[in-house]
Amino acid sequence: GIQVEQSPPDLILQEGANSTLRCNFSDSVNNLQWFHQNPWGQLINLFYIPSGTKQNGRLSATTVATERYSLLYISSSQTTDSGVYFCAVRGAGNMLTFGGGTRLMVKP
Amino acid sequence: NAGVTQTPKFRILKIGQSMTLQCAQDMNHNYMYWYRQDPGMGLKLIYYSVGAGITDKGEVPNGYNVSRSTTEDFPLRLELAAPSQTSVYFCASSYGTSGRGTQETQYFGPGTRLLVL
Repeated sequence: GIQVEQSPPDLILQEGANSTLRCNFSDSVNNLQWFHQNPWGQLINLFYIPSGTKQNGRLSATTVATERYSLLYISSSQTTDSGVYFCAVRGAGNMLTFGGGTRLMVKP
Repeated sequence: NAGVTQTPKFRILKIGQSMTLQCAQDMNHNYMYWYRQDPGMGLKLIYYSVGAGITDKGEVPNGYNVSRSTTEDFPLRLELAAPSQTSVYFCASSYGTSGRGTQETQYFGPGTRLLVL
């Protein structure tokens, strides 16, 4: 099946800093989503982005499908950005495959 | 809209017991999914459904069963609980179209934390 690798696995930032999270995948995808899991375990969809660039406030994402990667940018980070960020992709089948996540801690 | 709801929030089971995790959505989504998340890991798909009466296995289906009698509900049944099934279980739903199998944004429930002792 499709492989999804996320980097870095862990990230510590000072409040106000910017960061880039990366998601590499091993095959062509029809669906790519970025999720944030907050410290209470809730999963929130950030972007549905199988290709192109989207922005939502301080967050933006870019997927270069031909080169099999996606990037999530967080600007002016806040403590509420802490948690785990997951990339999930779907190839030819019906299953969404999740990466291992990037654990982000934003310090005040 | 309540979105995706799950019950119970937390449950302790003894080895060999059975239980049903409930999931309901009120967004008229045709696709529904069950995932498990082990500590420090990503999510793995257990079962999914593309519509009422249709279910299919995901990556880790052993030890579980599902049914989909209505669009709204997608219960997950654990038979003969084992310690390896200790995990957090998430239900999700999305709107998908047939043909190309397009599925858009998945919306997740709050999760059910299960401990098997």
